[in-house]
Amino acid sequence: VQLVESGGGLVQPGKSLKLSCSASGFTFSSYGMHWIRQAPGKGLDWVAYISSSSGTVYADAVKGRFTISRDNAKNTLYLQLNSLKSEDTAIYYCARRGMSNYFDYWGQGVMVTVSS
Amino acid sequence: QITLTQQAESLWVSPGEKVSITCRASQSLLYTDGKHYLSWYQQRPGQTTKALIYHASIRTDGVPTRFIGSGSGTEFTLSIEDVQPEDIALYYCLQTLKKPYTFGAGTKLELK
Repeated sequence: VQLVESGGGLVQPGKSLKLSCSASGFTFSSYGMHWIRQAPGKGLDWVAYISSSSGTVYADAVKGRFTISRDNAKNTLYLQLNSLKSEDTAIYYCARRGMSNYFDYWGQGVMVTVSS
Repeated sequence: QITLTQQAESLWVSPGEKVSITCRASQSLLYTDGKHYLSWYQQRPGQTTKALIYHASIRTDGVPTRFIGSGSGTEFTLSIEDVQPEDIALYYCLQTLKKPYTFGAGTKLELK
């Protein structure tokens, strides 16, 4: 199993960014997937979840601004980040939902910096 | 939402010692299927975050037997027996009983 995030970078407040998580080594379409973030020097925060059937759930802090999606043909998970705020600055990780409802595999993370 | 409290920000340990990291939930993490939806994760610099324990006490594949998860209801513990230098890391608990899923604040294991 391998998860590789990309798409991070420096972005101004109010702007948008789209993160990708490329999955390999397993049947991507069969698994739910999560995004988690970690602000610099801080702990882990769950951001969003998409089920294998594309049902979605969001943390209150990002609801209405972020959109999680997936393309099973491309084995790729996405996170669209809109109306970015400085407090969204963090490393963003994708993780697979294990069969026993825990986060069994994680990517290495991608940095998003929101600053003018 | 369910709050997870990891009381200790840091714990100091010598190689070979045993250490316990606690995680307290604001409500029971026991589901009607009889399982606790509490898992433990290890973060080491330069490595991907690793799942250690799920359902409070089940080790994931390949995790050494010195990692032991225990507890029930609202009180959970990750014990590491015979600590090795490679165990120096950040440890987080996570509840997946109810969304929004929540993590503890983390406990940093450091060498004495």
